[in-house]
Amino acid sequence: GAVVSQHPSWVICKSGTSVKIECRSLDFQATTMFWYRQFPKQSLMLMATSNEGSKATYEQGVEKDKFLINHASLTLSTLTVTSAHPEDSSFYICSAQTLAVSGEQYFGPGTRLTVT
Amino acid sequence: DAKTTQPPSMDCAEGRAANLPCNHSTISGNEYVYWYRQIHSQGPQYIIHGLKNNETNEMASLIITEDRKSSTLILPHATLRDTAVYYCIVRVDGNDMRFGAGTRLTVKP
Repeated sequence: GAVVSQHPSWVICKSGTSVKIECRSLDFQATTMFWYRQFPKQSLMLMATSNEGSKATYEQGVEKDKFLINHASLTLSTLTVTSAHPEDSSFYICSAQTLAVSGEQYFGPGTRLTVT
Repeated sequence: DAKTTQPPSMDCAEGRAANLPCNHSTISGNEYVYWYRQIHSQGPQYIIHGLKNNETNEMASLIITEDRKSSTLILPHATLRDTAVYYCIVRVDGNDMRFGAGTRLTVKP
């Protein structure tokens, strides 16, 4: 149990276009999901916290108008990278938190974004 | 500011125990110690977590010192597939996970 999927697993897009990444909790409900970004040879950096039915909370330095997050249901959160540029090329990873008090988090397999 | 400190890299011989240390000297009473690992180009994989007592599961053992200022993750019989970056994280239940630099463990034949 506790599987989180991401789609697509990799995507290549042209500079200036927008890309949507989906994060789904397959066998549990998650009121909270988290989005991370990871550059090569670096650690995961938290970008934003996504709460079902409300606005996302962004970390300092993350542009909310560029990285649009929608958490429309208890099993789905989406991250849209708008007007993508080559510097947005990265590995994007989501995690979903269970409804249990302990709030275990399970991570998706990641999405590799390359902007040309 | 980093809440945990880990050595940047470690080597381990295949079949031997891998002992990965983590310092968390500023840990609060309600913060758990979590361990995740990340194999290249994959999402982090949960290993184990604990509060005060030592914990063991099918993957690993977690030893937390009595003062809770440090811990050690033990992989009892390391295999080549255990080569990964291991992250030690302290977290209050329900809060987000903040990743440090981790330890790159290389298991050698």
